[in-house]
Amino acid sequence: DSGVTQTPKHLITATGQRVTLRCSPRSGDLSVYWYQQSLDQGLQFLIQYYNGEERAKGNILERFSAQQFPDLHSELNLSSLELGDSALYFCASSAGQVETQYFGPGTRLLVL
Amino acid sequence: ELKVEQNPLFLSMQEGKNYTIYCNYSTTSDRLYWYRQDPGKSLESLFVLLSNGAVKQEGRLMASLDTKARLSTLHITAAVHDLSATYFCAVSGSGYALNFGKGTSLLVTP
Repeated sequence: DSGVTQTPKHLITATGQRVTLRCSPRSGDLSVYWYQQSLDQGLQFLIQYYNGEERAKGNILERFSAQQFPDLHSELNLSSLELGDSALYFCASSAGQVETQYFGPGTRLLVL
Repeated sequence: ELKVEQNPLFLSMQEGKNYTIYCNYSTTSDRLYWYRQDPGKSLESLFVLLSNGAVKQEGRLMASLDTKARLSTLHITAAVHDLSATYFCAVSGSGYALNFGKGTSLLVTP
């Protein structure tokens, strides 16, 4: 157990819908990262927050957004969902920005 | 764009044998990570390599880093079934986010 928690574990929804994925980092970690894992794209970095501020963006679609709250938990919002958004979404956290990232259990999203 | 290439992508090996997984990356980076992922599970951190010539060992796994060659290796010694998993190398890029290789699926057979 990495200490990073993610909810929900599984999510099934329909195309066009909007969902919110939640992540609580390890106690004391200030950095939160979101990654998407799919069979065709592999593991891709989406976005990073550090102590509430966005620090880096990767291959994140405009339909996706995220934020980190004052209590350091983070949410990833996915809207206008498409079939191709079906994937495993991981949250990771680290103490600062250069330390090892610890991954949560992931949220498996299925868009039908 | 930072690219990370692993090979092989699939590896079937017998118990007791040795093998090496290779990870090449395209641009300078100051840290390289190895993670393990079991089917349907999350990623578990194995090693962090921070400098040229760094070598780390844990059990039957040993990782090394050659920053000049932009190459890291993960060496498996006397493989056992419990090592069956997918192994990813990752290199830090923009904003310290990780750029992952495609992973090496390792199957250790009796």
